[in-house]
Amino acid sequence: GDSVTQMEGPVTLSEEAFLTINCTYTATGYPSLFWYVQYPGEGLQLLLKATKADDKGSNKGFEATYRKETTSFHLEKGSVQVSDSAVYFCALHADGLTFGKGTHLIIQP
Amino acid sequence: DGGITQSPKYLFRKEGQNVTLSCEQNLNHDAMYWYRQDPGQGLRLIYYSQIVNDFQKGDIAEGYSVSREKKESFPLTVTSAQKNPTAFYLCASSIAGLAGGPGTDTQYFGPGTRLTVL
Repeated sequence: GDSVTQMEGPVTLSEEAFLTINCTYTATGYPSLFWYVQYPGEGLQLLLKATKADDKGSNKGFEATYRKETTSFHLEKGSVQVSDSAVYFCALHADGLTFGKGTHLIIQP
Repeated sequence: DGGITQSPKYLFRKEGQNVTLSCEQNLNHDAMYWYRQDPGQGLRLIYYSQIVNDFQKGDIAEGYSVSREKKESFPLTVTSAQKNPTAFYLCASSIAGLAGGPGTDTQYFGPGTRLTVL
């Protein structure tokens, strides 16, 4: 079946550091790929998405590129802020929406 | 404003009682979903509905029930048969159902309800 694997957290960085959160997937066909963000005590918000190979999703300084050859959709940001502290979920949509387990990101001032 | 609302934000239940969580959307979406979130386990699908008066079980439907009498509403009942009901429950909706293509498959989430069984 479909699956999503994310790097384990928590990931702790200093403000203005470069961020990468790894995400790889297994799926049949050509899934859409998503990153969602969850702030403490809240629901999930869509951060960005990509629907086909080589597409790049971007939003709020975050980027992720759909790499079919490596089945990856790594999330990156050039300079993180304290307000980016949250849990980030990678997900794919094929026959249904499959989530990774989430990566807790902590940004220290 | 368009969006998804869930109520209440916090809910406490005594063991052996049924409890119903509300989910309403005014996005005119056909499909709605219920997920359960536990620490370190990501989200797991409980039930989903792709159209009014129709719904299907997800991965962990045992101990839960739903109804979809109106397009805007998809309430979830946590029954006394659910052995570990304490969790964070998230409702979502999308333009089309699970077989929807790009552009219709994005799910939008409500703020969640935290259920605690005392």
